[in-house]
Amino acid sequence: EPEVTQTPSHQVTQMGQEVILRCVPISNHLYFYWYRQILGQKVEFLVSFYNNEISEKSEIFDDQFSVERPDGSNFTLKIRSTKLEDSAMYFCASSDFRQGGTYNEQFFGPGTRLTVL
Amino acid sequence: GEDVEQSLFLSVREGDSSVINCTYTDSSSTYLYWYKQEPGAGLQLLTYIFSNMDMKQDQRLTVLLNKKDKHLSLRIADTQTGDSAIYFCAEKGTGGFKTIFGAGTRLFVKA
Repeated sequence: EPEVTQTPSHQVTQMGQEVILRCVPISNHLYFYWYRQILGQKVEFLVSFYNNEISEKSEIFDDQFSVERPDGSNFTLKIRSTKLEDSAMYFCASSDFRQGGTYNEQFFGPGTRLTVL
Repeated sequence: GEDVEQSLFLSVREGDSSVINCTYTDSSSTYLYWYKQEPGAGLQLLTYIFSNMDMKQDQRLTVLLNKKDKHLSLRIADTQTGDSAIYFCAEKGTGGFKTIFGAGTRLFVKA
């Protein structure tokens, strides 16, 4: 069964460093997403991406964040200068809107745990 | 803004029914979802309900939606130890792409 994969599973970085979190969405999906979950808190939407551009983003997704689909398979989230409060589990998801856009099942990856020291 | 609230913990005995409750604020929600997260795994969609329905049954799972009170529940019949996980309630409004999640309810199933 196709699945979303994410690498690495755990990333430790120093405050101020740049990190890139990688995701491989399901191959025929057209919409891609990043969510994050700070320990003990809600899963929060960060950004959605379609047709090589951001389709929606939350207020969390400020100038420190960027997303890219550098080739036909990867979808990346870059945090330019990490802060302590960026420590969280980051989930990638993808979906297929061929059903007329009315039903959206997002398939989630296992997450990358980011720890900022 | 949109918000989804759910209780954080639920403990049941194996074989009993589990009921996980959720409330949401967005009256324009079109789809409401229940996701399951097992340790080390991603969020797995368990079931969903469209906002014009009030009940959906899928094997051991029953979803009840009270749109007037903006209350959603997930009932798991004959709960098994393999059902131990975190269950997330989520909603999606009309238009847009984002899904709003609750903080998750950790279900403990005692043998």
